[in-house]
Amino acid sequence: EAGVAQSPRYKIIEKRQSVAFWCNPISGHATLYWYQQILGQGPKLLIQFQNNGVVDDSQLPKDRFSAERLKGVDSTLKIQPAKLEDSAVYLCASSLGLYSYEQYFGPGTRLTVT
Amino acid sequence: QKEVEQNSGPLSVPEGAIASLNCTYSDRGSQSFFWYRQYSGKSPELIMSIYSNGDKEDGRFTAQLNKASQYVSLLIRDSQPSDSATYLCAGYTGRRALTFGSGTRLQVQP
Repeated sequence: EAGVAQSPRYKIIEKRQSVAFWCNPISGHATLYWYQQILGQGPKLLIQFQNNGVVDDSQLPKDRFSAERLKGVDSTLKIQPAKLEDSAVYLCASSLGLYSYEQYFGPGTRLTVT
Repeated sequence: QKEVEQNSGPLSVPEGAIASLNCTYSDRGSQSFFWYRQYSGKSPELIMSIYSNGDKEDGRFTAQLNKASQYVSLLIRDSQPSDSATYLCAGYTGRRALTFGSGTRLQVQP
């Protein structure tokens, strides 16, 4: 079974530029998550989708971050404009359903903002 | 108070010993807990899940959950140098999102 796919793996941009990350979850997984992981910390949830609907985006900085999962499968996370403090690894995860289900992570995208 | 707390370590154990990793949580309503292993530069990998009080064993790994004490632990028997990694404890908290601790770095000395 293929795992969670993410691209790109690495991205370097200047502050105030925009960037987009793509994620394709494990086949059949209805729930998709985007996390931000800063060095030395655990992943922090940014947004979670159930099919193509948003379940929780309470920790998403909506003035600069946006995410969509239009057809209930793959998803895109965008940052516009980027700030230095956005430098982190962006992880996508998926699970069969909401709450209590095991989540499986993709390889992540390492973003460096200069 | 953080929702999920872990000692950052490093925890150093000799090869072949038992490594004991601990985690506490603040939300009594939390039901499900998970241990992830994260190698440097890699993404978290799920190694154990536990949903009820008691012990759950899988190979060299044993997860323990004590809801009365709000305590989760992971034991790694016969530790190997390849077990050296950061171990993340995570639980579904009251807002029903998976909340992670900051991780404990384990070093297994050959």
